[in-house]
Amino acid sequence: DAGVIQSPRHEVTEMGQEVTLRCKPISGHNSLFWYRQTMMRGLELLIYFNNNVPIDDSGMPEDRFSAKMPNASFSTLKIQPSEPRDSAVYFCASSSRVGGSPLHFGNGTRLTVT
Amino acid sequence: GESVGLHLPTLSVQEGDNSIINCAYSNSASDYFIWYKQESGKGPQFIIDIRSNMDKRQGQRVTVLLNKTVKHLSLQIAATQPGDSAVYFCASRGSYGQNFVFGPGTRLSVLP
Repeated sequence: DAGVIQSPRHEVTEMGQEVTLRCKPISGHNSLFWYRQTMMRGLELLIYFNNNVPIDDSGMPEDRFSAKMPNASFSTLKIQPSEPRDSAVYFCASSSRVGGSPLHFGNGTRLTVT
Repeated sequence: GESVGLHLPTLSVQEGDNSIINCAYSNSASDYFIWYKQESGKGPQFIIDIRSNMDKRQGQRVTVLLNKTVKHLSLQIAATQPGDSAVYFCASRGSYGQNFVFGPGTRLSVLP
C-alpha cells in the first residue's frame, strides 16, 4: 500500500496567486480529511469528506479556501487568492471509518506564500 | 468544547531510558484515543490506540495508559532509542462518528 499521497511536497507562491494542493487517499478508505499545521495553532481540521461528500467544512478559514473530491481516489484543496498567513503545512489523511479508525496521514505539502 | 492538551511541551531522555509522554483531555465522553508520532518533514504516523473500555494497551516497546477518572492518557516508550526522537501527539474522539481532536504535541529528544 502506497499510503496517502500528496503533491506537491513544497509550494512557494506569491500573494494573490491561486494554489492547488492534491491528495490521493488510501484505496478503500471512504473518509478523507484536510488538516493544516502551524506552530501557533497545531493541527487544525479544515474539512472532511465521507464517500466523496463534504460533511463538515466549519474549519475552512475563509471563502478563499475550497475543497473538492470528484471521486474516491482524488481530492484537491484550493486557495484563491493566497495570502502570507496561509503559509503552513497542509496534510491530507484518510480512514476507513469516520471517527472509528485511525487517520492515515500523507507527508504533507509545505506552502509558503510570500 | 472538547480539547486535548499535553502537560510537557518538550521531553529529553537518555538513550536506553524509558519515556513517558502525558496528555490530558477535557471531554468525559471521549471514547477512543490515539497516539501519533511525527518526524521532521513527515506526516503524523499512527503508533497505538486505546478505547475507553480499556485501561492499558501494549505494543512493541510502547504502552498506552488511560485513566478515565482524571481524563489522562500517557504513552510509555521502553528503552528509548535515537529513532524515537520526534513530536508525539495524542488525539481523542468525543463519541463515535465524531472527528479526532489533536493535542499540541510533545517533542521527545533522545540524548546519547
